[in-house]
Amino acid sequence: GAVVSQHPSRVICKSGTSVKIECRSLDFQATTMFWYRQFPKQSLMLMATSNEGSKATYEQGVEKDKFLINHASLTLSTLTVTSAHPEDSSFYICSARDPRGGPRKFFGPGTRLTVL
Amino acid sequence: QQQVKQSPQSLIVQKGGISIINCAYENTAFDYFPWYQQFPGKGPALLIAIRPDVSEKKEGRFTISFNKSAKQFSLHIMDSQPGDSATYFCAASRSGNEKLTFGTGTRLTIIP
Repeated sequence: GAVVSQHPSRVICKSGTSVKIECRSLDFQATTMFWYRQFPKQSLMLMATSNEGSKATYEQGVEKDKFLINHASLTLSTLTVTSAHPEDSSFYICSARDPRGGPRKFFGPGTRLTVL
Repeated sequence: QQQVKQSPQSLIVQKGGISIINCAYENTAFDYFPWYQQFPGKGPALLIAIRPDVSEKKEGRFTISFNKSAKQFSLHIMDSQPGDSATYFCAASRSGNEKLTFGTGTRLTIIP
């Protein structure tokens, strides 16, 4: 089946630094990718929809200047957490839909961000 | 506003038993209802999904029951095994809008 990868799988950074997370669709092209955040023992919360070649669409309450999304190609979307703070520590997960396979969405393995 | 409500929050089932997780939705425009399984530290993986034109779908030990009039759907795991211990999320979306709305999750533990 279709595969979505994320890199890195975990990252630890100091408060105030920026962190970039990559999401790749490995065997299909995705015009749209989704970024979620998941706090411990909670559900996935959609942060933004990443659109290839255009601006991302952010959910209400998500700061677009803090969570920069770039979808430069049909197989790669990046999420940059700028000036990260401890409250940004979370599990970040991306997903994408294989256009050949109906509504099914594939999720990446997630990136654990810890901000010290 | 929580558009997809999931229960129970946690569930303990004996090995070989049936695990049942329930979800209810509000938006009648939803027309795709997947269930995801998530292990600690991993991304969610699709288990099974259903469209509202059928009342039941079965894949192996996993069955979705769908009640359109009640706006409810449930996941049944037959012959539950310790390897099924994970967190399960129901979700919903509608045609033309690719966003998935997730339920709050159910932590399932299968005991020997």
